[in-house]
Amino acid sequence: AQSVTQLDSHVSVSEGTPVLLRCNYSSSYSPSLFWYVQHPNKGLQLLLKYTSAATLVKGINGFEAEFKKSETSFHLTKPSAHMSDAAEYFCVVSMNTGFQKLVFGTGTRLLVSP
Amino acid sequence: DTEVTQTPKHLVMGMTNKKSLKCEQHMGHRAMYWYKQKAKKPPELMFVYSYEKLSINESVPSRFSPECPNSSLLNLHLHALQPEDSALYLCASSPLMGGQGTDTQYFGPGTRLTVL
Repeated sequence: AQSVTQLDSHVSVSEGTPVLLRCNYSSSYSPSLFWYVQHPNKGLQLLLKYTSAATLVKGINGFEAEFKKSETSFHLTKPSAHMSDAAEYFCVVSMNTGFQKLVFGTGTRLLVSP
Repeated sequence: DTEVTQTPKHLVMGMTNKKSLKCEQHMGHRAMYWYKQKAKKPPELMFVYSYEKLSINESVPSRFSPECPNSSLLNLHLHALQPEDSALYLCASSPLMGGQGTDTQYFGPGTRLTVL
């Protein structure tokens, strides 16, 4: 079975400082992993995805994530936070069960202070 | 263009009403999804259509009835809902190309449903 664990329910940073949102996964085979962002009362926007190509994945808005098989991690980072980054972030793994079924983490709320 | 549109944005209905949610995409995607999201929770999958056929029904109560009239359109018909059905209903679509593991879902903005 596949699962995702987001290690922090809330992360607080100051504007201009680095962001680290942690995600660990469990998968019986090579997974597809995604990060989605959800701003308040909005839908989910795809930030980036890993699909067994390069282990360092660059996404939109300056975010990137590194797939580390030895650590079963897929942490999301950004060098410098912006106020507009305040949102809920979901780490997601895809179940290849003959159809794409997504398994969501519980989410991390990113708070950015001035 | 990776846009999925949903109407209405907000819906308030009584427990005896019948209403429908609509989702549309013009990206040529062949899979479409309905999710339910309660406050401060991740989305929960409800239904999946692939090639306009229902592929997955996650044991959703029959008061929710999905319909896929064509490859671009997905509806969710609502009847005799309960207050606990109040939530954000999200639609998504994916191409179903390039291997299932690389398929990517694109989400709409959602419909905020309140059942009184």
